Amino acid sequence: GQSLEQPSEVTAVEGAIVQINCTYQTSGFYGLSWYQQHDGGAPTFLSYNALDGLEETGRFSSFLSRSDSYGYLLLQELQMKDSASYFCAVTAAGNKLTFGGGTRVLVKP
Amino acid sequence: DVKVTQSSRYLVKRTGEKVFLECVQDMDHENMFWYRQDPGLGLRLIYFSYDVKMKEKGDIPEGYSVSREKKERFSLILESASTNQTSMYLCASSLPAEGEQYFGPGTRLTVT
Repeated sequence: GQSLEQPSEVTAVEGAIVQINCTYQTSGFYGLSWYQQHDGGAPTFLSYNALDGLEETGRFSSFLSRSDSYGYLLLQELQMKDSASYFCAVTAAGNKLTFGGGTRVLVKP
Repeated sequence: DVKVTQSSRYLVKRTGEKVFLECVQDMDHENMFWYRQDPGLGLRLIYFSYDVKMKEKGDIPEGYSVSREKKERFSLILESASTNQTSMYLCASSLPAEGEQYFGPGTRLTVT
């Protein structure tokens, strides 16, 4: 089976940098995905890492180390609209996802 | 613009009722998924489907069944609703390869 660990909550101020770590135990690993979900909204895709290394998309970056079963999502230049829950998810064959419990990010002025 | 729609945003049912949750996607995606989301537990996969009339159990299939008669439509069925099935239900679709899943807005189901 799969299990993922990520912090439950992070608080930071506007303009700061936040790193959300995700460790996983899994069988049949294809990659690590990240999703953002605002309160009352649907999860939306942020990134997918299949290979080791850093992927950058604007203010957000995602990192994967397959040997350490570890990844992180880096949020830079935090904005108020970044207040949301962030989920890491292990991707298995057929794009089947197993999600972590989510990290609630609260951005303060 | 890609779109996944779900039949209801809010639903209240009584214990023992049969409940149908409908999901429709307009992206011609092969893969469709049903999740439930509970605080602190993230999203948990109930069932998924790779093609019409095909279905696979996810991590928590007990008490649920699914139907996929057409490519664009994936239904979740609660044969006899129970209070522990009170939750947010999310449908998603994707292409066969690993990558982005597109989620619907969710149905908040309350079973009393």
